[in-house]
Amino acid sequence: QVTLRESGPALVKPTQTLTLTCDFSGFSLNTRGMSMSWVRQPPGKALEWLAFISWEDDTYYASSLKTRLTISKDTSKNHVVLTMSNVSRADTGTYYCARSLARSFDWNYGMDVWGQGITVTVSS
Amino acid sequence: QSVLTQPPSVSGAPGQRVTISCTGTSSNIGPGYDVHWYQQIAGAAPKLLIYGDGNRPSGVPVRFSGSKSGTSASLAITGLQAEDEADYFCQSYDSTVNAWVFGGGTKLTVL
Repeated sequence: QVTLRESGPALVKPTQTLTLTCDFSGFSLNTRGMSMSWVRQPPGKALEWLAFISWEDDTYYASSLKTRLTISKDTSKNHVVLTMSNVSRADTGTYYCARSLARSFDWNYGMDVWGQGITVTVSS
Repeated sequence: QSVLTQPPSVSGAPGQRVTISCTGTSSNIGPGYDVHWYQQIAGAAPKLLIYGDGNRPSGVPVRFSGSKSGTSASLAITGLQAEDEADYFCQSYDSTVNAWVFGGGTKLTVL
């Protein structure tokens, strides 16, 4: 059974760095074609893709957030980490990690397993 | 402003058929990049409903189908049921920004 679970702070102050962890089980990120992404959703708004990391450590980021995001993986610990620097109130929302099978970044099979999400509020 | 355009809302009575459109451009849906659809029931995480334009993951009812033509894609739901009331999002790859992009989402109301 494949499971994903996000963890991190529920509340962060503006200008701080947000660090989120996605612990997963039931598959290996060393397997060819496996990849993980982070997606967020501000309250009452649409989904927004943030970052992607592949089994071979290729990374991609949303262009508007590229300078503030870092995605990394630790296959020995079965987790993926997203850091977002210099947060503001606009970064408030629910953050999801999701798995996908991808031949390449532009040729994939959708995000087939999602975590339950973690709600993050940015406030002083 | 989302890269992919969806109607904000659609509605239908139980048993009816509804469609949700997803309009893109020559840098995403147009060149043939795959479109995926997600269902998000209130308070829950999104769920993959359709992948690769028209493929259903195991467990998704055949009432859900996807198609694509030109720079647009569509999700069709036949035999509408109360449990289908949810938000639906389309997603694809965009070559201009080299990123995955979502539609703005469509709220389906079952009357």
